[in-house]
Amino acid sequence: DAKTTQPPSMDCAEGRAANLPCNHSTISGNEYVYWYRQIHSQGPQYIIHGLKNNETNEMASLIITEDRKSSTLTLPHATLRDTAVYYCIVRGSGNTPLVFGKGTRLSVIA
Amino acid sequence: DVKVTQSSRYLVKRTGEKVFLECVQDMDHENMFWYRQDPGLGLRLIYFSYDVKMKEKGDIPEGYSVSREKKERFSLILESASTNQTSMYLCASSRGDRDYNEQFFGPGTRLTVL
Repeated sequence: DAKTTQPPSMDCAEGRAANLPCNHSTISGNEYVYWYRQIHSQGPQYIIHGLKNNETNEMASLIITEDRKSSTLTLPHATLRDTAVYYCIVRGSGNTPLVFGKGTRLSVIA
Repeated sequence: DVKVTQSSRYLVKRTGEKVFLECVQDMDHENMFWYRQDPGLGLRLIYFSYDVKMKEKGDIPEGYSVSREKKERFSLILESASTNQTSMYLCASSRGDRDYNEQFFGPGTRLTVL
């Protein structure tokens, strides 16, 4: 599986967009990019995933570069409740388990 | 509302005790997973199961066993608890028929072994 690189921590002002980067330069053609987050004392929560195209849902947007070597998760209007550790995971198709790295600790500041 | 539930949020056991951690999902998912999470080490996969009575070792299976007698239930067993098994234990489940891997997690069980 392709490894990912994320900054260990980021700050974001409340109400502003939070843009979380992820590098996955060894990604292969059939591997998806997943984003999960973990709020303190809770289990991880699925946010979004993508293969090639940009994706958007009610929580976030995912932009994957054309060469697929990096991606950015955007929370359009961050709130204090978005303070969490965000994990970028690259994984092939099928049932194989997700492998979580250290993630990015996002702090949303009032 | 889909759910993964775990039998306890907090558990305190003594060294040498046999410990059962239960996980139940109500989404008819084929796949179930057990992770542990420790500061600085992130989430590490202990065991997973693709179907009833099936199990696969994850990255750190030593000292643990699992049981999946029913589709909705996946149990993690510590045969003889040790202090280095003090950790947060997280259960997850996912569908088996999709290309992508949306795993749903339970709230976790914080186990302390004294």
